[in-house]
Amino acid sequence: AQSVSQHNHHVILSEAASLELGCNYSYGGTVNLFWYVQYPGQHLQLLLKYFSGDPLVKGIKGFEAEFIKSKFSFNLRKPSVQWSDTAEYFCASRHGSSNTGKLIFGQGTTLQVKP
Amino acid sequence: SAVISQKPSRDICQRGTSLTIQCQVDSQVTMMFWYRQQPGQSLTLIATANQGSEATYESGFVIDKFPISRPNLTFSTLTVSNMSPEDSSIYLCSVDSGGVGYTFGSGTRLTVV
Repeated sequence: AQSVSQHNHHVILSEAASLELGCNYSYGGTVNLFWYVQYPGQHLQLLLKYFSGDPLVKGIKGFEAEFIKSKFSFNLRKPSVQWSDTAEYFCASRHGSSNTGKLIFGQGTTLQVKP
Repeated sequence: SAVISQKPSRDICQRGTSLTIQCQVDSQVTMMFWYRQQPGQSLTLIATANQGSEATYESGFVIDKFPISRPNLTFSTLTVSNMSPEDSSIYLCSVDSGGVGYTFGSGTRLTVV
C-alpha cells in the first residue's frame, strides 16, 4: 500500500541553522511528491512539489527538496531557518500513473525555531 | 488553482448527533477528497468522492459512519454520523488542481461533547 514516512517528529533549531527533514515514500512506480506547511492556526499551504524533470525542486520561502529515486526519498531542506518557519511540515505522495489521484500524507514534523 | 469554500468552519455537537459538512469548488473537478486531521496528528484520507458513483472509502472508514454525497462536479458533502468525542477533529475537503497540486478547504473544526 502507498505510504509516506517522516523520520523526524519534532525538530528544534536555532535561527540561522540549516534544516533537513526526511521523507521516504513506499511506491516504486511513477510518483508525485509534495511538501506542505501548516503554520499555527492556519491552513495547509503547498511549499513545493515534484512531478518530473529536475530532481532538485525549489519552493517558496527558500525551501527546496531533492527527489532521490534510488533511496525513495524526498527530503526538505533550507539553508538558514527563521523563527517564522516554526510550523508543522507534511510530506505527501501520489501515484503518478494512478487515476485515483489520492494524496497520502506522512505523520508530519513539528519544527520549532528558537529566536 | 481551484478555490474551495467549506462550511461550517467550526461546530460543537452533542454526542449521538450528526453533522453535515459542505464543500463547494469554483470549478468542475472529477474527484474530491475528504480528510480528517485529529488533534496533533497528520491528515488521514477518509474517502474519495466521484460524481455519479459511490465514494471510495479508505481502510478504517465506512459509509454508515461517514456518508458522502457528490451530486455534481462542484459540490460534495460529508456527514459525520452518530458522533462521539473521538470524532472531534478537523475535517477538510481537497481537490486536485492539476499542475499546481492539491487545494484544500479551510477545514471544519468539530468538537463533540
